[in-house]
Amino acid sequence: QLQLQESGPGLVKPSETLSLTCTVSGGSISSSSYYWGWIRQPPGKGLEWIGSIYYSGNTYYNPSLKSRVTISVDTSKNQFSLRLSSVTAADTAVYYCARPAAKSYYYYYMDVWGKGTTVTVSS
Amino acid sequence: EIVLTQSPGTLSLSPGERATLSCRASQSVSSSYLAWYQQKPGQAPRLLIYGASSRATGIPDRFSASGSGTDFTLTISRLEPEDFAVYYCQQYGGSPPSFGQGTKLEIK
Repeated sequence: QLQLQESGPGLVKPSETLSLTCTVSGGSISSSSYYWGWIRQPPGKGLEWIGSIYYSGNTYYNPSLKSRVTISVDTSKNQFSLRLSSVTAADTAVYYCARPAAKSYYYYYMDVWGKGTTVTVSS
Repeated sequence: EIVLTQSPGTLSLSPGERATLSCRASQSVSSSYLAWYQQKPGQAPRLLIYGASSRATGIPDRFSASGSGTDFTLTISRLEPEDFAVYYCQQYGGSPPSFGQGTKLEIK
């Protein structure tokens, strides 16, 4: 059964870079033909799509975050990662990794989610 | 970007009652690419519905959904205690994909 697990620091200082990793188990990033994505949810608020990556490294980002976001993949470790630069308190959120349900689509409905990891931006 | 507006913000009902949740899009959602999720506190969203009306695997048939264009509805026919949660709609007909702000279904 495919499982996703986020990991990374729970506290980041303002103006620094948030870095998270999603480890995929029960399936291979490089042989599945799926994109892999990041979504976040500020406290008490709705969900926001951040971006997606293919095993080849092809990426798509939400225009609202594009200038600060980098998503990368490490197929040898079956992981993909998120970096968000110049963070502010507005970036405080639960960050989820998730998989769009359709092969080769960088956005779709998400059928597999990680449990999420809380990141707080504070000095 | 397509903006999704969910109503009501909070819905207070009793177990056994029928719940009707609305999701309205700022522009037409192509191919009825709309999904619904259920989220309980401390958990990730759980896919309920995709393609506007198709239930995801393992979702009970008391959950149904309909709609097209800009207006979509999620109906829970007879509320069970475990159905009280927050529900989100998501459109994936255009990029970037976007979510509604959620409807909280609470026990009356």
